[in-house]
Amino acid sequence: DQQVKQNSPSLSVQEGRISILNCDYTNSMFDYFLWYKKYPAEGPTFLISISSIKDKNEDGRFTVFLNKSAKHLSLHIVPSQPGDSAVYFCAARGGNSGGSNYKLTFGKGTLLTVNP
Amino acid sequence: SQTIHQWPATLVQPVGSPLSLECTVEGTSNPNLYWYRQAAGRGLQLLFYSVGIGQISSEVPQNLSASRPQDRQFILSSKKLLLSDSGFYLCAWSVTGDSYEQYFGPGTRLTVT
Repeated sequence: DQQVKQNSPSLSVQEGRISILNCDYTNSMFDYFLWYKKYPAEGPTFLISISSIKDKNEDGRFTVFLNKSAKHLSLHIVPSQPGDSAVYFCAARGGNSGGSNYKLTFGKGTLLTVNP
Repeated sequence: SQTIHQWPATLVQPVGSPLSLECTVEGTSNPNLYWYRQAAGRGLQLLFYSVGIGQISSEVPQNLSASRPQDRQFILSSKKLLLSDSGFYLCAWSVTGDSYEQYFGPGTRLTVT
């Protein structure tokens, strides 16, 4: 049962344009959502998060939007840069299971390629 | 500042051999600690988490075990490796209590042959 889904395994964007990475979830008990960026052979690095009580959070070039009714969130990167090329993971906390405050559920990731 | 270390960076082990991966965190006390695995083409799967010394919660039945002998040390072990244990193993930490941000180590690439 995949509770966090990233349906696009890859995305290719031109430098300077907007990158939009999407994520869907099924568990309405999730209370925080996070985006991580991962380069090959490295651990993921935290990018940005959003609480379930908000619909937008912005940090520099990165903005995360949350649509609770649709159980959908997206990460916008504007403008995209070649150094943004990496795998992006969506993650969610909670879910009303035992110890849920400690656990993050991850999607399978989307490979973003930003072309110069 | 906080730092998380994992070693080794890469490991090639034959089927049936034992495994020990170590993770240590610096610059924080009583962190929550996690072991994840990323198999080829898959997302990050939580294997174990720990909220304190000697306290281990297992997320999925498997061939692996975890231990936390010290506050900032987390060890992933196996007595006999299987081919399916191959993957990229990541240790992570978060501040104690009601936290949600987790910070990951550099990972260990394990290949079981």
